Amino acid sequence: AQKVTQAQTEISVVEKEDVTLDCVYETRDTTYYLFWYKQPPSGELVFLIRRNSFDEQNEISGRYSWNFQKSTSSFNFTITASQVVDSAVYFCALSEGLTGGGNKLTFGTGTQLKVEL
Amino acid sequence: DTEVTQTPKHLVMGMTNKKSLKCEQHMGHRAMYWYKQKAKKPPELMFVYSYEKLSINESVPSRFSPECPNSSLLNLHLHALQPEDSALYLCASSRDSGGPRETQYFGPGTRLLVL
Repeated sequence: AQKVTQAQTEISVVEKEDVTLDCVYETRDTTYYLFWYKQPPSGELVFLIRRNSFDEQNEISGRYSWNFQKSTSSFNFTITASQVVDSAVYFCALSEGLTGGGNKLTFGTGTQLKVEL
Repeated sequence: DTEVTQTPKHLVMGMTNKKSLKCEQHMGHRAMYWYKQKAKKPPELMFVYSYEKLSINESVPSRFSPECPNSSLLNLHLHALQPEDSALYLCASSRDSGGPRETQYFGPGTRLLVL
């Protein structure tokens, strides 16, 4: 069975601080895909990044960066110079294909990030 | 364009009412999903449709009835709901050609309150 753990329930930072959100996963698959989503108070889940298991190169997109470490089964997300607009719940998820079509996301419990002025 | 739309945004219904939630996408995706999300919890998968056929029903009570009339539309028919069914209902879609690598794109959700 697949499992995703986000041990940080809530993080509070002051604007412009850097913050790292942790994600640890468990899977028996040799090829797998990990995702990060952002859920602002409005409710919509916004896709941030997809990472496959055979590409360990870290990725940077503006103020966002992701550190994938297969050896420790972690896929951590860092926001540099945080802003108030980054306040949201962030979910890490592991994907598995479904026999009948589509795929199933196993979500972590989410990390609530609060960025204050 | 990665837009999934959902209507209505908010819905209040009594336990004897019948209502429907609607989801639409025009990205050519052939997999569509319904999720239920309670406050401070992650989304829980309810149903998966692939090429307009029901692929997965995650043991959802029969008072929730999904329907996929065509490749762009997904409905969720609600009947005789309970107060504990109050939640945010999210729709998502993805391409259906690559299994686990496909990204699911979510709509803004419908906030349902059952009185």
